Amino acid sequence: GQNIDQPTEMTATEGAIVQINCTYQTSGFNGLFWYQQHAGEAPTFLSYNVLDGLEEKGRFSSFLSRSKGYSYLLLKELQMKDSASYLCAVNSPGAGSYQLTFGKGTKLSVIP
Amino acid sequence: GAVVSQHPSRVICKSGTSVKIECRSLDFQATTMFWYRQFPKQSLMLMATSNEGSKATYEQGVEKDKFLINHASLTLSTLTVTSAHPEDSSFYICSARDWQGGTGELFFGEGSRLTVL
Repeated sequence: GQNIDQPTEMTATEGAIVQINCTYQTSGFNGLFWYQQHAGEAPTFLSYNVLDGLEEKGRFSSFLSRSKGYSYLLLKELQMKDSASYLCAVNSPGAGSYQLTFGKGTKLSVIP
Repeated sequence: GAVVSQHPSRVICKSGTSVKIECRSLDFQATTMFWYRQFPKQSLMLMATSNEGSKATYEQGVEKDKFLINHASLTLSTLTVTSAHPEDSSFYICSARDWQGGTGELFFGEGSRLTVL
């Protein structure tokens, strides 16, 4: 089966750095995605890792270790608008097509 | 980037009625679309994979006769919630993959919030 774990909630201060971890155990692996989801809205794409290492994209970076089944999303220079849920999703073979399995999401609260 | 449009964004209906939700890929063709459901404070749960020109593939526990999926063209998939009940109230989100960029990034529609009275 598929199992994706990430912390339920985190709180961080405006301007600081926060790291959101994700561990996974899946049947097959073809990449890991991070999505941001504000309350009541659909998720939006943040990053994609398929090889081990760090991918940097502005204030956001994502790291992957396939041997450890581990990823993290790093957010720098936090802004109030970064308060949202962050979803870790693993791409794995599904019925007829590669599909994404989502973790339960980490609700990040940025405080002044 | 690719755009997926979903309609309606909000719908309120009486118990026992049917509701149709449309999902369109606006600037790319999607042979496969995905339908997710999200209950409050929970993650996205895949309901079914919609395949253009063939039957949808449903996840375990999802009733195919209750959640009818039609994918008649490369840009449109529809989800019909038949004989809706209050427990079907949820946030339904469609998505499609755009392989042109190489990553097969999943783009989401805006979501449809269904409230069944």
